[in-house]
Amino acid sequence: EIVMTQSPATLSVSPGERATLSCRASQSVSSNLGWYQQKPGQAPRLLIYAASTRATGIPVRFSGSGSGTEFTLTISSLQSEDFAVYYCQQYNNWPPYTFGQGTKLEIK
Amino acid sequence: EVQLLESGGGLVQPGGSLRLSCAASGFTFTSYAMSWVRQAPGKGLAWVSAIGARAATTYYADSVRGRFTISRDNSNTLYLQMNSLRDEDTAVYYCARVLSGPDVGADTFGIWGQGTLVTVSS
Repeated sequence: EIVMTQSPATLSVSPGERATLSCRASQSVSSNLGWYQQKPGQAPRLLIYAASTRATGIPVRFSGSGSGTEFTLTISSLQSEDFAVYYCQQYNNWPPYTFGQGTKLEIK
Repeated sequence: EVQLLESGGGLVQPGGSLRLSCAASGFTFTSYAMSWVRQAPGKGLAWVSAIGARAATTYYADSVRGRFTISRDNSNTLYLQMNSLRDEDTAVYYCARVLSGPDVGADTFGIWGQGTLVTVSS
C-alpha cells in the first residue's frame, strides 16, 4: 500500500498571500495524483487531477505540480473561501486508493 | 446537474447490518465506475470499495473485505451492504464517481455526494 504524507499538518497564511502545500508518496505514483478541498460539514471537492490539471470550474489561483513521489499544491493569492482542509490522493497503485492525512489551511 | 445523494445511514449496534444507497442523476450512470469513501469523525478520508460500470469488477479495502458488499443496479443507484459492523466503522460515508470512465483504475474521484453518517455503538 502506498502511504501519502502531507506537510505541514497546519498552515497559517494571511489572505492575499501564497500558500504551498506538500504531498509525498512512499513510492512513485507517476502523475496519478489528485488534490481535494474539504470545508467543514461538506464533501470533498476535486481541485486538481493528473498532478497539475485543474478540474472544471476551479480558479486559476490553484495550481499543482510534481511527479513521482513529490507533489505541491499552490494557491497563489488566498481568498477567504480557500481556508479549508486539503487532501492529496494517489490513484496509480490500487487497490487501495490512498489519501494523505490532510493539511489544514487556516487564517493567520 | 450532476448529483449523488446518499441515504441509509443511522445508529446501529456492533455486529449489526446497514445498507447505504446512493442515487445518481445528471449523468449516464452506466458509463462510470463508482466508489465509497468514508471519513471517521475528525479524521481523514479512507477509500472503502469500488465497482466498475458494468458491475463485473469489485474491490475492497482490507478493513472491510468479507463484511461489506458493493453493488449497483439499473435504477441509477449504488449500494453498500455493511454487515458485522464494528465501532471503527463509524464514519460519514460518501459515494463518489470517477472522473473519466467505466473501469475501476487509475482515475480520481470527480463527483462526490454529501455523505451519510453511520454510527456503530451500543
